[in-house]
Amino acid sequence: GENVEQHPSTLSVQEGDSAVIKCTYSDSASNYFPWYKQELGKRPQLIIDIRSNVGEKKDQRIAVTLNKTAKHFSLHITETQPEDSAVYFCAPMDTGRRALTFGSGTRLQVQP
Amino acid sequence: DTAVSQTPKYLVTQMGNDKSIKCEQNLGHDTMYWYKQDSKKFLKIMFSYNNKELIINETVPNRFSPKSPDKAHLNLHINSLELGDSAVYFCASSVTHRGLAKNIQYFGAGTRLSVL
Repeated sequence: GENVEQHPSTLSVQEGDSAVIKCTYSDSASNYFPWYKQELGKRPQLIIDIRSNVGEKKDQRIAVTLNKTAKHFSLHITETQPEDSAVYFCAPMDTGRRALTFGSGTRLQVQP
Repeated sequence: DTAVSQTPKYLVTQMGNDKSIKCEQNLGHDTMYWYKQDSKKFLKIMFSYNNKELIINETVPNRFSPKSPDKAHLNLHINSLELGDSAVYFCASSVTHRGLAKNIQYFGAGTRLSVL
């Protein structure tokens, strides 16, 4: 099965700063790499994803970069705002089980 | 219209009781899941069903039994509830993309189970 590590576990930034969260995975056959955001008391929701034939994908203030050789991918949030405060999960696809394996989560706090 | 709905939203019960959580999706998806999220926010998959067939059955106690009467429904029954079962249980669904790496999961709002 897929082993997933996510760092850091908590991240505090000032509003307007950038935030980067990194995820490493073990399954070299993994080919789909999403990030989910979970606000306090709410359900996890997909915010951005990338497939293995692409190295970077951007959507307004968020971006995901993938390094397949090193088996890690990262979430980048620029110009952070208080509403970005949430727990973020990486969830690379475990090709054997055809299911996502969620990382342990990163609690991002954006200070106004 | 709610895409993935689960009931109840809150469940408070005594140790030893049996309880069920229901989940329904109206997205036309063919795969449904149950996840457990503990107090530290770890999100662990418990079960997944594809077209009513059990695909993933993680190491969970036999007291947990999923049932999928059709593609749109996946219920979770828990027998002899224990204190450690207290958590938020999320249902989710996705569609299988044959030949295309993709697995967007849509989550329900969660059921907060408290065992006293």
